[in-house]
Amino acid sequence: DARVTQTPRHKVTEMGQEVTMRCQPILGHNTVFWYRQTMMQGLELLAYFRNRAPLDDSGMPKDRFSAEMPDATLATLKIQPSEPRDSAVYFCASGFFATGGDTQYFGPGTRLTVL
Amino acid sequence: DQQVKQNSPSLSVQEGRISILNCDYTNSMFDYFLWYKKYPAEGPTFLISISSIKDKNEDGRFTVFLNKSAKHLSLHIVPSQPGDSAVYFCAASGGIFGNEKLTFGTGTRLTIIP
Repeated sequence: DARVTQTPRHKVTEMGQEVTMRCQPILGHNTVFWYRQTMMQGLELLAYFRNRAPLDDSGMPKDRFSAEMPDATLATLKIQPSEPRDSAVYFCASGFFATGGDTQYFGPGTRLTVL
Repeated sequence: DQQVKQNSPSLSVQEGRISILNCDYTNSMFDYFLWYKKYPAEGPTFLISISSIKDKNEDGRFTVFLNKSAKHLSLHIVPSQPGDSAVYFCAASGGIFGNEKLTFGTGTRLTIIP
């Protein structure tokens, strides 16, 4: 049963600290997404990658957020420095997108609390 | 600017009755619509989708209706079961990004009362 995995599941940190969230997409999927869930905005797309190359990061605050895919089995989302308004649940999702569409499969999320 | 809106944050329905969840969108470029279901401490899971060339899609107890002229879609669950209690997200895609870049609504929490 292939799943997207995310670590850590929970993170509590203090304002100004660096936070790194990791995601292992489903093997064979070529597209990886990062979302943030807040009560006010729902699920917002932050960035996504195709074959490890960034396709769109327009939803991401550029000054403090960065997303990378060091290899096909790992995607990372970093926040430096973190702020209380970054407190949210961050989801990674993966899918296989070619000429047609596919379903996005979500991981369980990382709940981030910035004090 | 919320391009996908779910105006009901919560909904309670008796077990066995019909649950109707609503979603409105503003972007006329959207041509593919999805519903995701989310349980606490889990990620959203895909439930059902509909393309703009159709006005109805059915999968077991779940039916999605699309009214393009009103820019409105709805999810019907019949009959509702306790396991349907979850948060339901409406999502839409289309335009130059095809159906891979999804815009989500804020979700509706459905509670099924036994």
